[in-house]
Amino acid sequence: AQKVTQAQTEISVVEKEDVTLDCVYETRDTTYYLFWYKQPPSGELVFLIRRNSFDEQNEISGRYSWNFQKSTSSFNFTITASQVVDSAVYFCAVDNFNKFYFGSGTKLNVKP
Amino acid sequence: NAGVTQTPKFQVLKTGQSMTLQCAQDMNHNSMYWYRQDPGMGLRLIYYSASEGTTDKGEVPNGYNVSRLNKREFSLRLESAAPSQTSVYFCASRTGTEFNEQFFGPGTRLTVL
Repeated sequence: AQKVTQAQTEISVVEKEDVTLDCVYETRDTTYYLFWYKQPPSGELVFLIRRNSFDEQNEISGRYSWNFQKSTSSFNFTITASQVVDSAVYFCAVDNFNKFYFGSGTKLNVKP
Repeated sequence: NAGVTQTPKFQVLKTGQSMTLQCAQDMNHNSMYWYRQDPGMGLRLIYYSASEGTTDKGEVPNGYNVSRLNKREFSLRLESAAPSQTSVYFCASRTGTEFNEQFFGPGTRLTVL
């Protein structure tokens, strides 16, 4: 079965600190996509990034970067120089041909 | 564009009552999805429709039925509501190609007493 584990339930940092959110997934399939979504206190879900299972190149987009390691089934997400507006719940998800599995989320608190 | 819209925003039901949650998208997306989110948990897929005319079960389909009315609309029905179905329900859509990201509606908060 597919499974996504986000072991960090809640993280608190002070503004401008860097923070990494961990995600470990399980899948028997060779083709799949990985996603990160953000859910701010207002409740909506916002897409952040996606990565396919064949592309392990790590990238940086503004203050966001991600580290995909297929060998360890991990897809970690880093926010550099965190801001108060980054406070939200962050979800990692695996997409296997329309079967989506979300982790339980990591709540990030960024304090001024 | 309104994106993905859901009605109602809030609903309180008594055990055994039925209701339909409505979802519509105006982005010409092929695929649509229904999720539930329970406190402290991630989203769990209830049903999805990969294209107009098709529906498939997700991870937690028991107690629910769906209808893909047309390309724009995808409804979720609770025939006999139970307290265990108290949750926030999200509808989502995407183009259906190349594993694109999903676009989510604002959610419906349902309480079953």
